[in-house]
Amino acid sequence: IPLTQSPSSLSASVGDRVTITCRASQGISSYLAWFQQKPGKAPKLLIYAASSLQSGVPSRFSGSGSGTDFTLTISSLQPEDFATYYCQQLNSYPQTFGQGTKVEIK
Amino acid sequence: EVQLVQSGGGLVQPGGSLRLSCAASGFTVSDSYMSWVRQAPGKGLEWVSVIYPDGSTYYADSVKGRVAISRDNSKNTVYLQMNSLRVEDTAVYYCARDAPGPDIYWGQGTLVTVSS
Repeated sequence: IPLTQSPSSLSASVGDRVTITCRASQGISSYLAWFQQKPGKAPKLLIYAASSLQSGVPSRFSGSGSGTDFTLTISSLQPEDFATYYCQQLNSYPQTFGQGTKVEIK
Repeated sequence: EVQLVQSGGGLVQPGGSLRLSCAASGFTVSDSYMSWVRQAPGKGLEWVSVIYPDGSTYYADSVKGRVAISRDNSKNTVYLQMNSLRVEDTAVYYCARDAPGPDIYWGQGTLVTVSS
């Protein structure tokens, strides 16, 4: 199930609201996760089941959507949030990932 | 505490073999869907293989026939045996516990470099 993630990159300032979208080619219910990855590190789970915040993740991160259209929102971008973000569908194998969104400092 | 500790990466020549290990603690691999995911240098994430709780295995087309996933329940460890390695298999390989809920865990990653 291909996932189309957009944008592929964005430039934003500290305090900005950031939205990343992920679209599945067919319905995946709520079987979607969002990860944050920093250089040289393993991906870190932020959101599971499309909208549930992983324990320990700041509340400025939120997820929404079901079926084919999903969104990750960072309500107020912090310096430590500059990273690459990926969506992943866990509805069926082969699992697929979005292409990634690199969030850079403006 | 849940941990996935990986080992076994390294430099190998094209056509060679390598076995990656992923030792789990804090949960039971035989009760879990365990996947391997890889990331080529500067690229995105690519799913490679999965082993189900019932022992069924599945592979990405890019590695089918060259790779085998297995587990040792007594060691609570998952393996990825990679044969006939190609330059394009160069990547950081991650093992991961798949789950629909919060119990998604990833290992620290191990680098496999295929080069002559």
